[in-house]
Amino acid sequence: DTEVTQTPKHLVMGMTNKKSLKCEQHMGHRAMYWYKQKAKKPPELMFVYSYEKLSINESVPSRFSPECPNSSLLNLHLHALQPEDSALYLCASSRSGLVRGNTIYFGEGSWLTVV
Amino acid sequence: GNSVTQMEGPVTLSEEAFLTINCTYTATGYPSLFWYVQYPGEGLQLLLKATKADDKGSNKGFEATYRKETTSFHLEKGSVQVSDSAVYFCALYPLTGGGNKLTFGTGTQLKVEL
Repeated sequence: DTEVTQTPKHLVMGMTNKKSLKCEQHMGHRAMYWYKQKAKKPPELMFVYSYEKLSINESVPSRFSPECPNSSLLNLHLHALQPEDSALYLCASSRSGLVRGNTIYFGEGSWLTVV
Repeated sequence: GNSVTQMEGPVTLSEEAFLTINCTYTATGYPSLFWYVQYPGEGLQLLLKATKADDKGSNKGFEATYRKETTSFHLEKGSVQVSDSAVYFCALYPLTGGGNKLTFGTGTQLKVEL
């Protein structure tokens, strides 16, 4: 069973809406991630937070805005999205740093549809 | 840079058949290697992992051995079930360079039929 919890599981939003995806983990991990996954493709990294600070932004458009309020929570704020942003958004967490045996654990994902 | 190459799918097998999904990698140093599974409509689940050469990861009847000499981490199962139908992703996590990032293969869809 995953210990990374994502809400909502499904979200439909219009192109002018503002919405947020939420993620929570209680494994004591200090690295948290957002990935985007299109159908039949591997996940693509969007953002990495390490110790609540943004450490990697994979050139993601500004209509996606991440936030890490504390070590257990990660949000993804969505504004003025395009239909091509419709995808599965996966949150993940791990210990921070390049440590042998470090494992990234994923949540169940939030299915986003932009209309 | 780091990369992972998986065999193309879909792979279609009859129930109780033997499964092999090939995975090879390119990386600096000795990365950790993973297999993740994604069932229809769900997120990614960690299936198994290996963190150093000759380690064997195993879970739910699946196995994979970290082969440094052939830079491979092939997934095997002796007898597949219909419930194993899913997409399987091979991935590596670097110890040197590459940042705090997983590198995924393209995924291999497995279909198991009665």
